[in-house]
Amino acid sequence: KAGVTQTPRYLIKTRGQQVTLSCSPISGHRSVSWYQQTPGQGLQFLFEYFSETQRNKGNFPGRFSGRQFSNSRSEMNVSTLELGDSALYLCASSLEVGGRTGELFFGEGSRLTVL
Amino acid sequence: GNSVTQMEGPVTLSEEAFLTINCTYTATGYPSLFWYVQYPGEGLQLLLKATKADDKGSNKGFEATYRKETTSFHLEKGSVQVSDSAVYFCALSPNSGGGADGLTFGKGTHLIIQP
Repeated sequence: KAGVTQTPRYLIKTRGQQVTLSCSPISGHRSVSWYQQTPGQGLQFLFEYFSETQRNKGNFPGRFSGRQFSNSRSEMNVSTLELGDSALYLCASSLEVGGRTGELFFGEGSRLTVL
Repeated sequence: GNSVTQMEGPVTLSEEAFLTINCTYTATGYPSLFWYVQYPGEGLQLLLKATKADDKGSNKGFEATYRKETTSFHLEKGSVQVSDSAVYFCALSPNSGGGADGLTFGKGTHLIIQP
């Protein structure tokens, strides 16, 4: 079956702009998590959605937000972009709330560059 | 808070060499432990996991044993192949039993296997 699909794969924005990233989970998976990956900080948890509800949020400012739709697809939004937001944003899906099993299925990521 | 520490590399080995990638963690309670692998151009995928002390996870010739007394989960393989070249991430899930807290990842170890 199809894996986790993230769009767009690459994008370039300027400081102050906003960006929306999309994630389509594996069919049947109801949980979607988002992670930020940077060379300095590694992989950091942003938030997780399950059945359209945000279950938990990592230690990121309010400029980072997300939502999940009834078909389990998820979007994350970053407003007022800063240079430090340049990163690979990874989406992961799982059958149940991810933290309980740890078995996450990751997409290839959306690489955001902020100029 | 929770944290995972692993050697960052790059680690360069010859084909058929023995591999050890060290991973130690800090967490309260009894977390679940994981190794994820990211092959070039692909998303992260779960390699193996262990959910309680003394459990051994294994997959594709890789093994790791959950050592609570040393808070470690070292990854080993007896004879590596060129196709094992990838970035390996150690991770933990707090197993809080409640909501999802997200996985805590190490910064990744870049493994290069030379023929």
